[in-house]
Amino acid sequence: QVQVVQSGAEVKKPGASVKVSCKASGYTFTKFYMHWVRQAPGQGLEWMGIINPTGGGTTYAQKFQGRVTMTRDTSASTVYMELRSLRSEDTAVYYCARGDGGGSHFFDYWGQGTLVSVSS
Amino acid sequence: QSVLTQPPSVSAAPGQKVTISCSGSSSNVRNNYVSWYQQLPGTAPKLLIYDNNKRPSGIPDRFSGSKSGTSATLGITGLQTGDEADYYCGTWDSSLSAVVFGGGTKLSVL
Repeated sequence: QVQVVQSGAEVKKPGASVKVSCKASGYTFTKFYMHWVRQAPGQGLEWMGIINPTGGGTTYAQKFQGRVTMTRDTSASTVYMELRSLRSEDTAVYYCARGDGGGSHFFDYWGQGTLVSVSS
Repeated sequence: QSVLTQPPSVSAAPGQKVTISCSGSSSNVRNNYVSWYQQLPGTAPKLLIYDNNKRPSGIPDRFSGSKSGTSATLGITGLQTGDEADYYCGTWDSSLSAVVFGGGTKLSVL
């Protein structure tokens, strides 16, 4: 069965970086894009970007360009999301979510979420 | 301010029907597929509807989706207390080159 498992919660100080991992199993890793979505406390969903596990190509939401990097390790079926220059407003639950593999841009499997807390 | 507009909350009695609207524009809802997600408290979102009106395996037919022009609608019939959750619509925005979501709708089953 398809599973998407993320790394554990992180506590960071303003200005630091965080790197969250997302390990996929139960399907061919390179056949489906992986997205990152975050949710601030009490707020809605916010799309951060997408990575193509085959070639590593990425597209980032304009808001995060220059501050986020998404990478993948095909041998480990794992994608990573690094966010730099953290500020308090980055406190959120970060989700990886498997894309549909086509042009519909829906997310059929989600990780359990990783809480990133940014505080001095 | 979300790109897609949803009502903040809706409510209905058990057994009744409710609809949740999602309003967008030509650059998103009108020309791209819409999906819907259910988020129970403290959990990750779950896909309910994709490609405007298709249900993934395991999603009961009490949940339905439709789209007309720049608006999409999620319908839920035979409401159960377990349906109390936040519901989000999402789609691709061709102008922003980004996935966009609605602000979410909190469903209360009274």
